[in-house]
Amino acid sequence: GAVVSQHPSWVICKSGTSVKIECRSLDFQATTMFWYRQFPKQSLMLMATSNEGSKATYEQGVEKDKFLINHASLTLSTLTVTSAHPEDSSFYICSAVGTAMMNTEAFFGQGTRLTVV
Amino acid sequence: AQRVTQPEKLLSVFKGAPVELKCNYSYSGSPELFWYVQYSRQRLQLLLRHISRESIKGFTADLNKGETSFHLKKPFAQEEDSAMYYCALSGAGSYQLTFGKGTKLSVIP
Repeated sequence: GAVVSQHPSWVICKSGTSVKIECRSLDFQATTMFWYRQFPKQSLMLMATSNEGSKATYEQGVEKDKFLINHASLTLSTLTVTSAHPEDSSFYICSAVGTAMMNTEAFFGQGTRLTVV
Repeated sequence: AQRVTQPEKLLSVFKGAPVELKCNYSYSGSPELFWYVQYSRQRLQLLLRHISRESIKGFTADLNKGETSFHLKKPFAQEEDSAMYYCALSGAGSYQLTFGKGTKLSVIP
């Protein structure tokens, strides 16, 4: 199956700094990538939809200036948490959908655990 | 607004017993329904989708539009089925997923 890789798998940063999380589709091209956030013992919540070459579409309540998304190529999308605060600590997961795949489905990355101290 | 409800946070069954993980949804239109599974320390992966009408690892799920349900069933649970199961929906042709809160299935040997 198709592979989506996130980097880093975990990161600890100081409050006020920015953190970049990468999401790569390793063996397919993805026109669309999604970013989710998961709090402990809660469900995945869609944050934004990222389309290659265009601006991301953010879900209601998600600050676009805080969570910067860039989808510069068909295999890479990045999520930058700017001026991170402890309440941004969470598990961030991306998924990617291929451009031309039979029985298209969304493939998930392994997730990135962000801890802001 | 679309919503997915999984009423059970935790479900424990004995090995060989039948399993049913409940999922109800609300959506105005024709949704696509999915079950995702997350084994310990692994990423989320698709288990099955209603349009495929497949049986994967012995699991089946039937979309009941009248009851707006998409319950996941397996006649005989195996220890390796222990995992977190998420029900999800999307609009037709969309890959934006709305997830339920998940049910942790624990199969007791």
